Amino acid sequence: NAGVMQNPRHLVRRRGQEARLRCSPMKGHSHVYWYRQLPEEGLKFMVYLQKENIIDESGMPKERFSAEFPKEGPSILRIQQVVRGDSAAYFCASSPELAGGYEQFFGPGTRLTVL
Amino acid sequence: DQQVKQNSPSLSVQEGRISILNCDYTNSMFDYFLWYKKYPAEGPTFLISISSIKDKNEDGRFTVFLNKSAKHLSLHIVPSQPGDSAVYFCAASHNDYKLSFGAGTTVTVRA
Repeated sequence: NAGVMQNPRHLVRRRGQEARLRCSPMKGHSHVYWYRQLPEEGLKFMVYLQKENIIDESGMPKERFSAEFPKEGPSILRIQQVVRGDSAAYFCASSPELAGGYEQFFGPGTRLTVL
Repeated sequence: DQQVKQNSPSLSVQEGRISILNCDYTNSMFDYFLWYKKYPAEGPTFLISISSIKDKNEDGRFTVFLNKSAKHLSLHIVPSQPGDSAVYFCAASHNDYKLSFGAGTTVTVRA
């Protein structure tokens, strides 16, 4: 049973470009969470999605960031017009049910570098 | 605001000895606490958790203690093994899914 898949593992963008990060949850998991880890900090919650629904995006910056989890295909975290401050590791996690009482299973992360 | 704090960025321990990792939190609404372990170039892996209705949970070599009055929890690893060398994150939740993480403690187990 494959774990949570994220690609690309490393992504380099120049300022002003767009970054698309993809996450395929574990088989049978319908809940996806995105976290961001800045250098020397812990992971910070960004958004919680179920299939075709954004449940909680309270951790997402108001501008330039968006996320989706379509009926078919992976979840996508999209960052438009990237800036140097967006450089971070972005982790996706999934769970079979709402994660209360269940741990979230994390992917290996995408390391975004903005030049 | 940093609601979960791990004040020790690193810990070095001899193989076979006990590793004690500490975590403090400020949000009294947190009711579920977890420890994750992370190796380089990998995502965090769930290790052990505890509900706020308990003060101790044990799983093999890993034990988590919760002191709600002090808003403090700790992870004990006994005995420490070389494979335990990793970054350990403390996390907390009050609504089942939005985990708040500490900055992590890097554990090095010396042979």
